[in-house]
Amino acid sequence: GNSVTQMEGPVTLSEEAFLTINCTYTATGYPSLFWYVQYPGEGLQLLLKATKADDKGSNKGFEATYRKETTSFHLEKGSVQVSDSAVYFCALSDMEYGNKLVFGAGTILRVKS
Amino acid sequence: SQTIHQWPATLVQPVGSPLSLECTVEGTSNPNLYWYRQAAGRGLQLLFYSVGIGQISSEVPQNLSASRPQDRQFILSSKKLLLSDSGFYLCAWSVGNKNIQYFGAGTRLSVL
Repeated sequence: GNSVTQMEGPVTLSEEAFLTINCTYTATGYPSLFWYVQYPGEGLQLLLKATKADDKGSNKGFEATYRKETTSFHLEKGSVQVSDSAVYFCALSDMEYGNKLVFGAGTILRVKS
Repeated sequence: SQTIHQWPATLVQPVGSPLSLECTVEGTSNPNLYWYRQAAGRGLQLLFYSVGIGQISSEVPQNLSASRPQDRQFILSSKKLLLSDSGFYLCAWSVGNKNIQYFGAGTRLSVL
């Protein structure tokens, strides 16, 4: 079946540091890939998405590129801020499975000033 | 614009008591609706999804049930809560075959 694996956290960075959160996936079809963010005490918000190989999703300074050859969708940001502290979830959806989302376990990011 | 409401925001219930969590969506018609659970320190697990009134699919066997009495209302229930039912419950919606889901703010349930 489909699955998503994320790097374990927590990830602790200083402000303005470079961020990478690794995400790899297993899918039988051609999934769409997503990053969702969950700020403390809140629900999930869509951060960015990519629907086909080599697509790059970007939003709020975050980027991720859909790499079919390595089945990866790593999240990056060049300079993190304290306000980026949150839990980040990588997810996929596959039309063969009714477009239901399959989530990774989530990665906690803590940014210190 | 579309909005999704979940309530209550937090809930503390004794073991063996019943549960009813409600989710409503505004500003869209015939949404697909989802219930997820996020256990402490873990990812999200899809519990139920619904593509229409009275149509419920269960993803995992469990102590919970779901109902959709109206087009934009999705209810998560239990007759007798277990300790293992504690967690953060999230409702979400999507439209048609679009694969973006939009989440509510969640309900934090503590079963004691």
